Amino acid sequence: QSALTQPASVSGSPGQSITISCTGTSSDVGGYNYVSWYQQHPGKAPKLMIYDVSNRPSGVSNRFSGSKSGNTASLTISGLQAEDEADYYCSSYTSSTTLVFGGGTKLTVL
Amino acid sequence: EVQLLESGGGLVQPGGSLRLSCAASGFTFSSYALSWVRQAPGKGLEWVSGISSSGAGTDYADSVKGRFTISRDNSKNTLYLQMNSLRAEDTAIYYCAKGFYNSGWHRFDYWGQGTLVTVSS
Repeated sequence: QSALTQPASVSGSPGQSITISCTGTSSDVGGYNYVSWYQQHPGKAPKLMIYDVSNRPSGVSNRFSGSKSGNTASLTISGLQAEDEADYYCSSYTSSTTLVFGGGTKLTVL
Repeated sequence: EVQLLESGGGLVQPGGSLRLSCAASGFTFSSYALSWVRQAPGKGLEWVSGISSSGAGTDYADSVKGRFTISRDNSKNTLYLQMNSLRAEDTAIYYCAKGFYNSGWHRFDYWGQGTLVTVSS
């Protein structure tokens, strides 16, 4: 199972919005509404930010939103803040009943 | 408060074995599926294996199938990962992660802090 494709890096200024894409195939992203997004700060464990494409866990800011079109899912962060600077990973359930992650995207807040 | 505490990591020679443990608290352990996810130094996340709440259902990534075995002891609230025939490419931080329901590894709402496994001679 190949990793999902994410941009290596994205950046934005405080207050701006950014979008991170996550591209897979019809056997994963396109075939199921089981896309999740995780935030990981250096030296820390990942934190769930979005699940099932567009759902936010309790306690996660509504500045974070998710969507999907075809084989590509997206994470949008609006009103960028300094503490949003982190690595972001998407994941998707697959037709092989396994889970696949994206390669990760480093978000820099300028 | 949900807590997941991994242990058992360390330095092991290629071809060797290691058993990781994940002690859980703060939730009804026997009601949730669990997984192991690893992260090689400076690299991304890789799902390794998952197990259903009862232990009857398991699944593995192709990269570890036949070498790793996941199990759980619901009486001890502990998850395990037996790792055999270890390779240099298995070097990573291994995280224990809790699923939403009693089966499936679609998403994880809680993660442990991880335990480092280093495979080197």
